[in-house]
Amino acid sequence: GENVEQHPSTLSVQEGDSAVIKCTYSDSASNYFPWYKQELGKRPQLIIDIRSNVGEKKDQRIAVTLNKTAKHFSLHITETQPEDSAVYFCAASNAGNMLTFGGGTRLMVKP
Amino acid sequence: GVTQSPTHLIKTRGQQVTLRCSSQSGHNTVSWYQQALGQGPQFIFQYYREEENGRGNFPPRFSGLQFPNDSSELNVNALELDDSALYLCASSFITGGGEQFFGPGTRLTVL
Repeated sequence: GENVEQHPSTLSVQEGDSAVIKCTYSDSASNYFPWYKQELGKRPQLIIDIRSNVGEKKDQRIAVTLNKTAKHFSLHITETQPEDSAVYFCAASNAGNMLTFGGGTRLMVKP
Repeated sequence: GVTQSPTHLIKTRGQQVTLRCSSQSGHNTVSWYQQALGQGPQFIFQYYREEENGRGNFPPRFSGLQFPNDSSELNVNALELDDSALYLCASSFITGGGEQFFGPGTRLTVL
């Protein structure tokens, strides 16, 4: 089955700096890669996603890149703000729409 | 949106529990995930048109039902201490990789 590895597990940045979180996946059949933000005690919220036929996608301060050959994808957050502090999860799924999640990254943005 | 009940639940080892989910109207697929403290969600199973459509690495004492009225259930028999977790349901269209909409979760504690 699919296996998703996520790094780093914790990330501390100064407000205004950029943050990068990286994930690798094992199943070449995976074709959908969402990123979720989860605040303490809350449900995962989709922040951006990318499909396997696209190499990069951007939405304001958030961008995701995908390298299908190397089987890795990354989340980039620019101009970080304290409200970006949360746990971020990457995930991968194939045509069956069953998500395999990474272990999560706790992002702390210091004011 | 997606709703779940109850919000919190406390059970003792060996008991049985039923968790409920109401999918977003019109969605034909519901997936259930288990999220242990400090970890990413783990896929339990998925239901499509009232039939189990895929299953993760969970024993048969985890079972489910999906009903025609956009509601579904997760049943867990013979509860173990390690079953303590946040249980999330997510609804979607089974379109070969697409956004899943998560409910707020049910926090299950097994004593």
